[in-house]
Formats: sequence, C-alpha cells, structure tokens
Amino acid sequence: GAVVSQHPSRVICKSGTSVKIECRSLDFQATTMFWYRQFPKQSLMLMATSNEGSKATYEQGVEKDKFLINHASLTLSTLTVTSAHPEDSSFYICSASGSRVLNTGELFFGEGSRLTVL
Amino acid sequence: GENVEQHPSTLSVQEGDSAVIKCTYSDSASNYFPWYKQELGKRPQLIIDIRSNVGEKKDQRIAVTLNKTAKHFSLHITETQPEDSAVYFCAASKSSGGYQKVTFGTGTKLQVIP
Repeated sequence: GAVVSQHPSRVICKSGTSVKIECRSLDFQATTMFWYRQFPKQSLMLMATSNEGSKATYEQGVEKDKFLINHASLTLSTLTVTSAHPEDSSFYICSASGSRVLNTGELFFGEGSRLTVL
Repeated sequence: GENVEQHPSTLSVQEGDSAVIKCTYSDSASNYFPWYKQELGKRPQLIIDIRSNVGEKKDQRIAVTLNKTAKHFSLHITETQPEDSAVYFCAASKSSGGYQKVTFGTGTKLQVIP
C-alpha cells in the first residue's frame, strides 16, 4: 500500500513555543491530506483537511490561527501548533489519499506525532 | 454531519472465541465503511472495508456486514488470538468536495485473554 511518513514521532516543547509536524507521502501524490488529533483512549478527531495549493478546511471548533496547515506540494503537508500550551498535548496523526489509490476513500496514515507541552 | 456510534467500548473474549463490534451511522450518503486496528501509540491500520453496494465481505478470520436500510455495520473476528488485542475503529465515509470525508467511531478496546 501507499506509504505516509510523519515526523517527528515525539516532541517535547515549552509552553509558548511553536512546533511543526511534517507529513509526507513517499510513493504517491497526495492531493488531499487530513490532520487528526487523538486524546488517550479516544477516537481520531478530524481537525482539518488540506488540499494541495489551497487553504485548509478546518472542522468546527478548531482554531485555524493556532493550528496552521500548509500543503505546498503533492507530497508534503505541515501542521504547526503555534504558541503551544499544555492542553495542546496530544497525539497528532495525518493521513493522505491521492490519485494513486484512485480516490477509493482508503486512508493511509502517518506514524503519528506525540506532542508534550511543558 | 455524519455521526458514527460504536459499541461496545471495551470487549474481553477468551482466545478462540468470536468478537463482534457494531457501528451505526446517520448519513445515508456514506458509501464506504472501513475498519481500522490501532495498537497503542501506533498508526491505525486498515483491516477490512466494505462498500455500500455489498452486504458482506470476508477475509480469513475477519468479516464485515452492512445493512444500509438500518444504517449499521458490524465487524466479526472469529478464532480470536492474543495478537488481535488492540483498539478497533469503524468509520463511515462519503464523497465531499472532491475527496472522501471519513468519520470515525469512538473505538472498541478488544482484549483477547490467552
């Protein structure tokens, strides 16, 4: 299947700093990437949908100025958590779909990034 | 928007027994229903999926059934093994703005007791 790589896998930062998480599709062009947030023992909550070359579409309740998403190329999307606070600590995971998978709807997930804000 | 409910939230079975997880969805436009297995701290892995034009699909020990009229679908795992222990998520997906929008269920933590 298609491979999606996410980096970093773990990051610890101080409150008030910004953190960037990268999501790359390694062997296909991802026209659409999705960013999820997962709290312990909970489900994946969609934060935003990003399409290459256009602004991301954010889900209700997600602050677009706090969670900056950029999808500058067909293989890379980034999520930047700005002015991070302890309540932003979570597991962030991206997924991608693209033309290679013929838009079947199947999602390919990155490894996830565990953010801890001190 | 779509609402996916999943039951039970936790499930313990003896090794060799069957496990059944049930989900319901609300949006009749949903047409693709994947099931994911997630081990602790790892990415979700697709284990089986079913499309709205099919009522049942089986892959070795795993099967999924879909009732479009009632808007519910189920995952069946037979002859469970300890390595089946994980969190399982159902999902409902529909076409939205040129891509498939996926809504996940709340998850079921399956524990297979040796």
